Amino acid sequence: EAAVTQSPRNKVAVTGGKVTLSCNQTNNHNNMYWYRQDTGHGLRLIHYSYGAGSTEKGDIPDGYKASRPSQENFSLILELATPSQTSVYFCASLGGIGEQYFGPGTRLTVL
Amino acid sequence: GDKVKQSPSALSLQEGTNSALRCNFSIAATTVQWFLQNPRGSLINLFYLVPGTKENGRLKSAFDSKESYSTLHIRDAQLEDSGTYFCAGASSGSWQLIFGSGTQLTVMP
Repeated sequence: EAAVTQSPRNKVAVTGGKVTLSCNQTNNHNNMYWYRQDTGHGLRLIHYSYGAGSTEKGDIPDGYKASRPSQENFSLILELATPSQTSVYFCASLGGIGEQYFGPGTRLTVL
Repeated sequence: GDKVKQSPSALSLQEGTNSALRCNFSIAATTVQWFLQNPRGSLINLFYLVPGTKENGRLKSAFDSKESYSTLHIRDAQLEDSGTYFCAGASSGSWQLIFGSGTQLTVMP
């Protein structure tokens, strides 16, 4: 099964600070995704990428930027973190037949 | 309204019994994925479906794209089946998954 890793696994940030969440996959998948999951809800798409150098807006992109410097790495950037961005963030990559594989998640708390 | 509706939202089962979870789509879903989110928060891939059925051990899933629904059947429920089950649909030409809100399953001894 495809392996997707995320770092850090837990992060506490202050309001107004900059936060970078990192995702890595070594399966040579083209498409990668960032989601957030809030208590009692499913996952919602923030940004995605078709490959190195590509970033696209998902359903809830406001307050977030993304960066895809290489096939393997996809970052989510919060330039000015706010308490409303406290959530669990999941990264995923898309396998050849259309199945998405998820990383273990990053729990972000913005104080 | 919700593009992907899951039912029930919560379910308690006795160990050894059977259950069925359902997902209704208001999007033109052409593929479906089912996940189990375990108590540690990890998302475990259960099924990836085009229209049809798949079976894996005590789990069986079906997807009917014409009637816009998918089901997940759990046979002989075990304690380790506890967690939150999510379905997610993708439309033709798009790899973007739209998630339901989940079914929280508790299996009791």
